[in-house]
Amino acid sequence: EPEVTQTPSHQVTQMGQEVILRCVPISNHLYFYWYRQILGQKVEFLVSFYNNEISEKSEIFDDQFSVERPDGSNFTLKIRSTKLEDSAMYFCASRTTGETQYFGPGTRLLVL
Amino acid sequence: KNEVEQSPQNLTAQEGEFITINCSYSVGISALHWLQQHPGGGIVSLFMLSSGKKKHGRLIATINIQEKHSSLHITASHPRDSAVYICAVEKTSYDKVIFGPGTSLSVIP
Repeated sequence: EPEVTQTPSHQVTQMGQEVILRCVPISNHLYFYWYRQILGQKVEFLVSFYNNEISEKSEIFDDQFSVERPDGSNFTLKIRSTKLEDSAMYFCASRTTGETQYFGPGTRLLVL
Repeated sequence: KNEVEQSPQNLTAQEGEFITINCSYSVGISALHWLQQHPGGGIVSLFMLSSGKKKHGRLIATINIQEKHSSLHITASHPRDSAVYICAVEKTSYDKVIFGPGTSLSVIP
């Protein structure tokens, strides 16, 4: 069964460093998402992406965040200058028309 | 006030019991999702609903659009059903999804 994959599974970084989280959505999917979940809290929407552009973003998704679909398969989330409060699990998801979302396994980011 | 509320927050059940988890929301939606988050953190989509009722195995999801309410039922619960169940709503199709706080279910043998 096709699945969404994410790399790395864990990342530790120093405050102020840039990180890139990578996702490979399911191949025929059209809509792509990033979510985050701070430990012990609920899942939060970051951004949705369709037709090579952001379709909606949350107030969390400020200028420090960016997304890209550099080729036909990868979907990346970049955090330019990480803060302690960016420590969270980041989930990528994808979907096609009329169907539910498929989630990746997540990347656990720890900012020290 | 949270746009998506769930009850109960925590639930412990004996194996075999019938379980109901409730979700209420305060915004107009295009669809509602029920998700399962395993203890290891992974998220699996169980249902996407815009009206009526859906069934998959021992799981049943219903939605009442007029009352802005949805329920997830688990029949003949099993310890492997132990997980956090999350209700999430889509305000506009394919865009922002708002998540509820989750219901932590523990099924005891």
